[in-house]
Amino acid sequence: NAGVTQTPKFRILKIGQSMTLQCTQDMNHNYMYWYRQDPGMGLKLIYYSVGAGITDKGEVPNGYNVSRSTTEDFPLRLELAAPSQTSVYFCASSYNKGGMGNEQFFGPGTRLTVL
Amino acid sequence: AQSVTQLDSQVPVFEEAPVELRCNYSSSVSVYLFWYVQYPNQGLQLLLKYLSGSTLVKGINGFEAEFNKSQTSFHLRKPSVHISDTAEYFCAVSEAGGYQKVTFGTGTKLQVIP
Repeated sequence: NAGVTQTPKFRILKIGQSMTLQCTQDMNHNYMYWYRQDPGMGLKLIYYSVGAGITDKGEVPNGYNVSRSTTEDFPLRLELAAPSQTSVYFCASSYNKGGMGNEQFFGPGTRLTVL
Repeated sequence: AQSVTQLDSQVPVFEEAPVELRCNYSSSVSVYLFWYVQYPNQGLQLLLKYLSGSTLVKGINGFEAEFNKSQTSFHLRKPSVHISDTAEYFCAVSEAGGYQKVTFGTGTKLQVIP
C-alpha cells in the first residue's frame, strides 16, 4: 500500500492564483482530513470528510474548498491565493467505526508559498 | 470543547538521558489520547494511543505515556533517548464517540544532543 499520497510536494503561487492540492489514499478509509501546519501553531483542521459525498468545515475553512466524489480522493482547492495561505498542508485519513479512537495516517505534505 | 496544551515548545536533552514531554488536556467528556511524531520534512506518524484500560501505554521506539485522569495529563517518556529521536512530538485528544474530532497540541521539538 502506498498509504496517503499528496501532490505536489512544493508549489509557489502568486497572489490571486488558484490551485488544487491532490490527496489520495489506498487504505479504503472512510474519513479524510486536510490540515495546515504553521510554525509553533500545531495542526489546524481545514476541512474533513466522513465519506464520499460528505464534507464539513473544520477550524480554518475560509479561502478553501473541498470535494469528495470517491472514497480514495479528497482534493483541496484554493481559489484566490493569499499570503496568509503560505503553509504546509497535510492530508490524512482514518477508518472510523463507532468509538474506536482511530489513528490518522498522514501524507508527506505540500509546502505552499504565496508571493 | 476540548483542548490540548504542550507547555514546552523545545526540549534539549543529551543522548542516553531520560526525557519527559508534557501534555495536558481539557474535555468535558471521555477522551482518547494520542502522541504523534514528525521527523523533518515528513508527515506525522502515530507513536502510541490511549483508548481505555491500563493507564500506562507503550508505543514504538521505546516510548511510553501515562494517562492521569485526575491531573488531565498524558505525558510522554523515554528512559534513554537516541539521536534518531530528534523530531517534533504532538499530543492530540479526541472525544470518545461521534465524529471523534481530533485536536492537536502545538508540538514539542525534542533535540537530542550528542
